[in-house]
Amino acid sequence: QSALTQPPSVSGSPGQSVTISCTGTNSDVGSYNRVSWYQQPPGTAPKLMIYEVNNRPSGVPDRFSGSKSGNTASLTISGLQAEDEADYYCYSYRSDLTYVFGTGTKVTVL
Amino acid sequence: QVQLVQSGAEVKKPGASVMVSCKASGYTFTAYFIHWVRQAPGQGPEWVGEINTNSGGTKYTQQFQGRVTMTRDTSITTAYMELSSLTSDDTAVYYCARDRGWGIYDYWGQGTLVTVSS
Repeated sequence: QSALTQPPSVSGSPGQSVTISCTGTNSDVGSYNRVSWYQQPPGTAPKLMIYEVNNRPSGVPDRFSGSKSGNTASLTISGLQAEDEADYYCYSYRSDLTYVFGTGTKVTVL
Repeated sequence: QVQLVQSGAEVKKPGASVMVSCKASGYTFTAYFIHWVRQAPGQGPEWVGEINTNSGGTKYTQQFQGRVTMTRDTSITTAYMELSSLTSDDTAVYYCARDRGWGIYDYWGQGTLVTVSS
């Protein structure tokens, strides 16, 4: 099964906004609002940041937001902070009843 | 508090099998599915499969069909993942995660490194 496509890296200065795209197909992202985003600093387990396209779990700062259009979901980090530097993965339910991660994006704070 | 505690690191030879355990505490074990995710060194995570901790029903990703078995023991609130016919490509950190539904993982185990080497 093919992974969802993300840009390998994005970067921004503190305070700026960055957006990470996640492109799938009409068998996953395009057909379901079951898209999550996970943050993973090096050497740690992934952490849930966004679920069901645009919902934030308790404790996640509101500078993290999600959206979706067609087969592409997006994660935006507004007001970038040094602590946001990590790998980010999108994740989607699929029509064959399985799940698939994105290829991952490294966020660098300049 | 909710915790998922996994078994320790394993070193296996090619062709062998490995079983990783995931001990859950702090919540009603049978109310949530447990999913297993693996991450090879320097790679992104990959969904392995899920177990319905209430019924024991399972679903695996196709690439692992026939090699992976997920089970649970509700009496000790522990889920297990066994992977057989190991190759070097199976070297990875294996995570268990509690699923709130639809791949929403709110709690993760600490990960178990499985190294396959001759």
